[in-house]
Amino acid sequence: NAGVTQTPKFQVLKTGQSMTLQCAQDMNHNSMYWYRQDPGMGLRLIYYSASEGTTDKGEVPNGYNVSRLNKREFSLRLESAAPSQTSVYFCASRVDRGPGDGYTFGSGTRLTVV
Amino acid sequence: QQQVKQSPQSLIVQKGGISIINCAYENTAFDYFPWYQQFPGKGPALLIAIRPDVSEKKEGRFTISFNKSAKQFSLHIMDSQPGDSATYFCAASGRIGANNLFFGTGTRLTVIP
Repeated sequence: NAGVTQTPKFQVLKTGQSMTLQCAQDMNHNSMYWYRQDPGMGLRLIYYSASEGTTDKGEVPNGYNVSRLNKREFSLRLESAAPSQTSVYFCASRVDRGPGDGYTFGSGTRLTVV
Repeated sequence: QQQVKQSPQSLIVQKGGISIINCAYENTAFDYFPWYQQFPGKGPALLIAIRPDVSEKKEGRFTISFNKSAKQFSLHIMDSQPGDSATYFCAASGRIGANNLFFGTGTRLTVIP
């Protein structure tokens, strides 16, 4: 009953460092998403992947790259971290259109860039 | 541009009271309106959702009221409990494409014992 698993849960980076946030889902969902959550701004979409092998930009893609490694895994990479990327990052997956349209979210990665 | 506008930003309610959170949208292509509940340190979780062919949906103490002509929908929490204290997000979704879910900015609900 894992659902969507994100690692790590917490991370502190220095400005300019790089890191990859990992996400895996075990629900056989086609679509996967990366969001960032900032106070007063809700959840903003960074990148998404409608299916294995495809990725597309969301609302706030600058400074990030993604890889849809296979159907299960969707990673988010920060090549050169900046303080503005301090945020809580959520990965989500979605069942295809049908009675259950809900997105399933992971528990988040709290990233601080100093 | 915020696709879904949510208010209030924060809400304090006495135990047993009614909590009401409002959302509005502009895009008439939206056809699915979920509400997500998020506890501190956790990801958002689907709470309840409605489609525009009905004006109300109730699940336990949670009710969505939907006004298609006004393009507004709201979440009502009856008999609010301290355990309901969380952040609530409304959202709207359309049929076209995979990038189709737009969130409101969230309401932080605190229920006072």
